[in-house]
Amino acid sequence: DAKTTQPPSMDCAEGRAANLPCNHSTISGNEYVYWYRQIHSQGPQYIIHGLKNNETNEMASLIITEDRKSSTLILPHATLRDTAVYYCIVNTGNQFYFGTGTSLTVIP
Amino acid sequence: EADIYQIPRYLVIGTGKKITLECSQTMGHDKMYWYQQDPGMELHLIHYSYGVNSTEKGDLSSESTVSRIRTEHFPLTLESARPSHTSQYLCASSEAGGAQNEQFFGPGTRLTVL
Repeated sequence: DAKTTQPPSMDCAEGRAANLPCNHSTISGNEYVYWYRQIHSQGPQYIIHGLKNNETNEMASLIITEDRKSSTLILPHATLRDTAVYYCIVNTGNQFYFGTGTSLTVIP
Repeated sequence: EADIYQIPRYLVIGTGKKITLECSQTMGHDKMYWYQQDPGMELHLIHYSYGVNSTEKGDLSSESTVSRIRTEHFPLTLESARPSHTSQYLCASSEAGGAQNEQFFGPGTRLTVL
């Protein structure tokens, strides 16, 4: 009963944009989409979150489709230090529902 | 920087021992969480708390127990450790309120039960 679906792995060339997709077709109206990343099994690090509008911060941009059934995390200029597992999460307010994540490898 | 701490970071212990994993946060957050993560797998919620004297079980069944006597502390206890408890345990906290509040994670405790 996973709330999010992500591709298991992706590669991206250093300096290029990394676009990480996520499907969350069963998301409810008041549930937020969050993105975290985890490097070497450390504690997950917050990246960005949104409800229905596109969001941008110093780390990334989040594009949410109008029907809210999917979203894309964009790292505009990927560096080697962005190599990590990226989790797309639905936050119901009571609980974070983690998916299996996408392992992003940034290639020199 | 998130001010949430977990002690110890690594623990290797024999079967049958009682262990307590410590989690502390200095942000005054009401909500706290424990997740279990096996290598290469996603995080699963095992316990959460909405405040002092509040504890609930998460989606993943766990033999561990938790307590919340003080806002800043949320320790997790295993009365009798077994090899099946070998995993990484991650603690998190967030402000009270709805789904717009992010969770702050600690560095995790990697537990190995021999």
